[in-house]
Amino acid sequence: NAGVTQTPKFRILKIGQSMTLQCTQDMNHNYMYWYRQDPGMGLKLIYYSVGAGITDKGEVPNGYNVSRSTTEDFPLRLELAAPSQTSVYFCASSYSMNTGTSGSVIYEQYFGPGTRLTVT
Amino acid sequence: AQKITQTQPGMFVQEKEAVTLDCTYDTSDQSYGLFWYKQPSSGEMIFLIYQGSYDEQNATEGRYSLNFQKARKSANLVISASQLGDSAMYFCAMRERLHFGNEKLTFGTGTRLTIIP
Repeated sequence: NAGVTQTPKFRILKIGQSMTLQCTQDMNHNYMYWYRQDPGMGLKLIYYSVGAGITDKGEVPNGYNVSRSTTEDFPLRLELAAPSQTSVYFCASSYSMNTGTSGSVIYEQYFGPGTRLTVT
Repeated sequence: AQKITQTQPGMFVQEKEAVTLDCTYDTSDQSYGLFWYKQPSSGEMIFLIYQGSYDEQNATEGRYSLNFQKARKSANLVISASQLGDSAMYFCAMRERLHFGNEKLTFGTGTRLTIIP
């Protein structure tokens, strides 16, 4: 089980270039997410998907696009790179379950190793 | 809107001592969940522990325990017998409902923990 994998690990882009960050999970999770982490900050949600063919915006979607044609893959597209998009990007996937004792539902998210992107 | 607050940007703790990392949250939801993640210098996010809002017992996972005080809206992480490998950033997060019954995690700004030998 590889879990959540992301490629590339590092990338430097010039302003205006485009690229696709790849994310794949092999845990058969329905839910997948893209986050960005700016220096010294927590993670902010860019886009998420609840299953193949279904995506929705998070809190910082501007400048990004996603697609979800399969359960396993959730690529993130940057069309016109800007310096403000310099960040570390994390892909995550999740499942839900009942704890049994109190009926709580746990949505533990499994994270990929991240992609460090610099736009200059 | 939900909010997570971690007021300790950095902490230094002697090896083998216990450490408490603070987390307070703000929500109007009755059902919610709180997570703690560890991010070592290598950058990956590692899930540590979870507490549901209706869980009566404080969550524990090995050396990690969560001191959940619902009335105070706090969910502090306690690490017992700290080890050098505990040096990392620690993020508190709360699950927030989105469309379609799915959720996202709202993260705090984190606490950088350094264990001193």
